[in-house]
Amino acid sequence: GAVVSQHPSRVICKSGTSVKIECRSLDFQATTMFWYRQFPKQSLMLMATSNEGSKATYEQGVEKDKFLINHASLTLSTLTVTSAHPEDSSFYICSASRTGKGSPLHFGNGTRLTVT
Amino acid sequence: GQQVMQIPQYQHVQEGEDFTTYCNSSTTLSNIQWYKQRPGGHPVFLIQLVKSGEVKKQKRLTFQFGEAKKNSSLHITATQTTDVGTYFCAGSGDYKLSFGAGTTVTVRA
Repeated sequence: GAVVSQHPSRVICKSGTSVKIECRSLDFQATTMFWYRQFPKQSLMLMATSNEGSKATYEQGVEKDKFLINHASLTLSTLTVTSAHPEDSSFYICSASRTGKGSPLHFGNGTRLTVT
Repeated sequence: GQQVMQIPQYQHVQEGEDFTTYCNSSTTLSNIQWYKQRPGGHPVFLIQLVKSGEVKKQKRLTFQFGEAKKNSSLHITATQTTDVGTYFCAGSGDYKLSFGAGTTVTVRA
């Protein structure tokens, strides 16, 4: 099946620093990748849709200058949490669809971010 | 916008018993998908339903898509400890998936 790799799995950083999270589709090309945020015992909240070669589409309420997304190739999308604060601590998960709109998503393992 | 409601939020089940989790959408869906997330893990795709009234089975799991394509259910029979986790439905209407809140299942041995 489709494999999506996400790195790092855990990161602890100090308040004010930036953290980059990578998401790679290992065995397929992903024109579109999705970035989710999940709070403990809650559902997945879509943050943005990452489009290869163009700007990401952010959901309402998500600060684009805070969460920088770069989809540099068909197999790599990155999420950078800039000037992180403790309230940014969360579980961030990327996903990709092999065939596009409305098709099943393959999720990365997620990144547990803790900002101290 | 499109909203997907899922109940119950928690389900405590005696091993061997059956249970059902339900999803309802505010709008008609093009398809509905189900995912399972084990504690500490990431969501894993289980199944996709596309047709009105569709029913699909995976061993002890039965998935159903409503006639109006606005609701869905997941029924698990003879629950086992391996069924522990959170089950999410996700409805596809426009360009993105909308996830339900999830049903977190715990099993009493």
